[in-house]
Amino acid sequence: DTGVSQNPRHKITKRGQNVTFRCDPISEHNRLYWYRQTLGQGPEFLTYFQNEAQLEKSRLLSDRFSAERPKGSFSTLEIQRTEQGDSAMYLCASSLTSLARYNEQFFGPGTRLTVL
Amino acid sequence: AQSVTQPDIHITVSEGASLELRCNYSYGATPYLFWYVQSPGQGLQLLLKYFSGDTLVQGIKGFEAEFKRSQSSFNLRKPSVHWSDAAEYFCAVDPLDKLIFGTGTRLQVFP
Repeated sequence: DTGVSQNPRHKITKRGQNVTFRCDPISEHNRLYWYRQTLGQGPEFLTYFQNEAQLEKSRLLSDRFSAERPKGSFSTLEIQRTEQGDSAMYLCASSLTSLARYNEQFFGPGTRLTVL
Repeated sequence: AQSVTQPDIHITVSEGASLELRCNYSYGATPYLFWYVQSPGQGLQLLLKYFSGDTLVQGIKGFEAEFKRSQSSFNLRKPSVHWSDAAEYFCAVDPLDKLIFGTGTRLQVFP
């Protein structure tokens, strides 16, 4: 169990550029979540997948944001035409659904995005 | 709407002192409640969780939390703080398959 990994760990970009982040969940986990955390705030839910299916998207996820999980394993989060307000830590988490009501989410270290 | 309030933005304690971090939630049904810790450069780590049953739950690193339905609270406690406990602490509720976090409490520990 190598845990949830995210790449890159840091990304600096200029306003208007596109960026893509990758998340590799714990290998047997079928659910994958994206959260965004701005300075001084707690993480905010963006979206989640069960296998390849994107089951829920937050209103925070504008049209410039798109997430995919094409083979039910790793996921990518793309931001098009970045804005300074997109500067944040993007966190990924994964969990394994089971008969238990609750399935603990395990978090990765995050990708810190800075938009200049 | 579900929400979590952590009224203390920043707390400073001396090493060896006791600690209590406050958390209040707003949720219509029986909540699933959590405390996470986040250290610089590290991911969020689950300290403890409450689903049902005994209202006093034990977690890792010597932390415990007490669920009080009448006060809509889930306060985190530790009897003796260590310097390594300095971090950001987040309370969270899970209404259905996603976590809703509070704004966090930054804990500073003085020797």
